[in-house]
Amino acid sequence: NAGVTQTPKFQVLKTGQSMTLQCAQDMNHNSMYWYRQDPGMGLRLIYYSASEGTTDKGEVPNGYNVSRLNKREFSLRLESAAPSQTSVYFCASREQGNMNTEAFFGQGTRLTVV
Amino acid sequence: GDSVTQMEGPVTLSEEAFLTINCTYTATGYPSLFWYVQYPGEGLQLLLKATKADDKGSNKGFEATYRKETTSFHLEKGSVQVSDSAVYFCALSNNAGGTSYGKLTFGQGTILTVHP
Repeated sequence: NAGVTQTPKFQVLKTGQSMTLQCAQDMNHNSMYWYRQDPGMGLRLIYYSASEGTTDKGEVPNGYNVSRLNKREFSLRLESAAPSQTSVYFCASREQGNMNTEAFFGQGTRLTVV
Repeated sequence: GDSVTQMEGPVTLSEEAFLTINCTYTATGYPSLFWYVQYPGEGLQLLLKATKADDKGSNKGFEATYRKETTSFHLEKGSVQVSDSAVYFCALSNNAGGTSYGKLTFGQGTILTVHP
């Protein structure tokens, strides 16, 4: 099973450039999430999609947009990258409607903005 | 809002030593509690979980007990191995009071290094 697949794994951007991080899951989960991981701060939620067709802001949404393309895919876009967006980004998916279930994570995208 | 606090790290131990990583939480209602582990270069994976007060989660020799009276979920292992070197995250999930549906709230992570 592929689980949650993120692309790319690494990316370097110049300030002001744009890019889209791709995420796909093959577990038929309704809910999908984008987190960023920074040293000493754990994982912080950027955006989530509780089900196909819906998206909502998390704790740190500024500078990002998302698209829930279909049930499988949830992309994260940086319209104008800033050095403060240098981070490791994780996509996750989970069954909807059950807070006891496991979330599955992709391997992450390490983004550097120079 | 909900929050999770983990003990300051990093933690460095010798092989076969006893491990404790402290985790406390603040949340309304009755959250579910989790420990996730991140091995170098990988994403997070579930280590164990507990879904109600006094439940004990266990996996791969690790244990944690959901203590509602002290709002804690400390991770323990009796004898660590070099292969346990990783980053450990405590997390909670809570649907009470209209909080973000199904999202996980994470602690800051604790880096564990085990030497031979």
